[in-house]
Amino acid sequence: DGGITQSPKYLFRKEGQNVTLSCEQNLNHDAMYWYRQDPGQGLRLIYYSQIVNDFQKGDIAEGYSVSREKKESFPLTVTSAQKNPTAFYLCASSPFHLGGAQETQYFGPGTRLLVL
Amino acid sequence: GQQLNQSPQSMFIQEGEDVSMNCTSSSIFNTWLWYKQDPGEGPVLLIALYKAGELTSNGRLTAQFGITRKDSFLNISASIPSDVGIYFCAGQLQGAQKLVFGQGTRLTINP
Repeated sequence: DGGITQSPKYLFRKEGQNVTLSCEQNLNHDAMYWYRQDPGQGLRLIYYSQIVNDFQKGDIAEGYSVSREKKESFPLTVTSAQKNPTAFYLCASSPFHLGGAQETQYFGPGTRLLVL
Repeated sequence: GQQLNQSPQSMFIQEGEDVSMNCTSSSIFNTWLWYKQDPGEGPVLLIALYKAGELTSNGRLTAQFGITRKDSFLNISASIPSDVGIYFCAGQLQGAQKLVFGQGTRLTINP
């Protein structure tokens, strides 16, 4: 099946610990995104990548880091610098469109991060 | 950053009723997307709109891309219990790749 997978479903972080959230897609999409969702709120963009080995900061990048070494994979690390990491994290991907129009993003099932 | 005004924030309806929600902005959009999110799950794409004035259906769902390119609406006809969830609009601003998301409309259905 084609799709986006995120693991784990639930993740617990201790104080001062870095944790990494996995996102893999087999849709052959060029662009990948990480969003954060807090209860009762919309989605806020953390980082995005339009091509392998390149990525840009979104609206709330502080305390997070990413890498894009492979087209299929876009892991997100929540560092100890992120003081309020408890949230639902969503990964998305989209195919490339010439001229950048018709942006259509597809989401993974999400990872819920909790701080112990 | 850019904001989309999505309304209503919540709706409480009886099963079988029709539902209407919309998103508006002061900016011009190239693309409008509508998603549904169930608790603890990722958003699922319902309808994608790419042209001003476009009207697209997906079963009991119908969405339109506003002629001014600054708004979009989603209608659900004859609601059923599985329609419960949060509906998000998202738009791609003219000249940008990233999406802007609405705050969501929470739909609750009384059987």
